[in-house]
Amino acid sequence: GGIITQTPKFLIGQEGQKLTLKCQQNFNHDTMYWYRQDSGKGLRLIYYSITENDLQKGDLSEGYDASREKKSSFSLTVTSAQKNEMAVFLCASSMSNTEVFFGKGTRLTVV
Amino acid sequence: GDSVTQTEGQVALSEEDFLTIHCNYSASGYPALFWYVQYPGEGPQFLFRASRDKEKGSSRGFEATYDKGTTSFHLRKASVQESDSAVYYCALGPNDTNAYKVIFGKGTHLHVLP
Repeated sequence: GGIITQTPKFLIGQEGQKLTLKCQQNFNHDTMYWYRQDSGKGLRLIYYSITENDLQKGDLSEGYDASREKKSSFSLTVTSAQKNEMAVFLCASSMSNTEVFFGKGTRLTVV
Repeated sequence: GDSVTQTEGQVALSEEDFLTIHCNYSASGYPALFWYVQYPGEGPQFLFRASRDKEKGSSRGFEATYDKGTTSFHLRKASVQESDSAVYYCALGPNDTNAYKVIFGKGTHLHVLP
């Protein structure tokens, strides 16, 4: 089996700060995703990538950048942290039309 | 665009009650449909899927049948246990118009009381 590792588990940042969240997978999956999870709003897609160096915007991409320099890693940058974006950020991966595997998440707090 | 709508908010049941969580989708073609379950402190995990009309998916006593006529994939379990307390997500897989995107519903928080 494989695993998705997200770092850090908890991230505290200042308002206006640029923050980076990292994700590694060892499934050898082609597609990787970043979702944001807010209470009562489910999972909203920020960015996804179908292969190395590919980036596709999701429904919530404004205020975020992403990078897929290697097949196994996918990072997400919050370009200017805002207090209203405190949430859990979930990284995931999948092969084609199969199930999605998730990491345990990074909880972001902005002070 | 493609979307998923499921029973919103919280569902509270007693042990051995029958569970139904409604899920309806809007998409073209025959997208795969999924159910995921999320326990506290964890990411969502795959429960089961179905890929074509009338196909039934099942796992751990949960089941759902793909119904293209009513565009539904309702989650059911005959007798819930306290350990089933979790958040359940219905999801829409890639299809002709969305080759790679997976779209999740807003989640349903199931509380099972002993």
